[in-house]
Amino acid sequence: GNSVTQMEGPVTLSEEAFLTINCTYTATGYPSLFWYVQYPGEGLQLLLKATKADDKGSNKGFEATYRKETTSFHLEKGSVQVSDSAVYFCAVNSGGSNYKLTFGKGTLLTVNP
Amino acid sequence: KAGVTQTPRYLIKTRGQQVTLSCSPISGHRSVSWYQQTPGQGLQFLFEYFSETQRNKGNFPGRFSGRQFSNSRSEMNVSTLELGDSALYLCASSVSPPQGMSGNTIYFGEGSWLTVV
Repeated sequence: GNSVTQMEGPVTLSEEAFLTINCTYTATGYPSLFWYVQYPGEGLQLLLKATKADDKGSNKGFEATYRKETTSFHLEKGSVQVSDSAVYFCAVNSGGSNYKLTFGKGTLLTVNP
Repeated sequence: KAGVTQTPRYLIKTRGQQVTLSCSPISGHRSVSWYQQTPGQGLQFLFEYFSETQRNKGNFPGRFSGRQFSNSRSEMNVSTLELGDSALYLCASSVSPPQGMSGNTIYFGEGSWLTVV
């Protein structure tokens, strides 16, 4: 089955620092890749997605590029803000399980002023 | 456009009781899936419904069940509750694309926080 390995946290950064959260996956078929964000006490919000190799997903200053050769989908942001503090989940779905997401364990990000 | 709506948001149950959680998908979405989130196991897939039929099921005991109605709304039920069932239960909906297309995006609700005491 599919699997996602995500950088373990927690990650603590100062405001305006550069962020990278690593994510690698194994999947059958032609996977789509996602990053979701979860703020304290809330559900999951879709942050960005990519549906094929070399696609770059972007939203709110966050970016991730679908790298098929390295089976990776690392999340980056050039300058984080305190409001970015949350848990970030990398996820994959593919092929016959197109409606089933497999998630990484999540990375807690704390941004200090 | 309204998002995925889940009720109730918070509930406390006693061991041995049963619970029913409700989910209204985004208008026009016909696929509804459920996930359990716990600190120890993370996010785990429970099941997925489309047109009132269960298409996928995760690795959970038979105490966990669900159904979908003709208007795409869904419910999940957990019987004979155990302490370990305490979790955030997330409902998600998605448009069902034509067969063979990828890139289906799954949107989540705020979740139902279940505490079993």
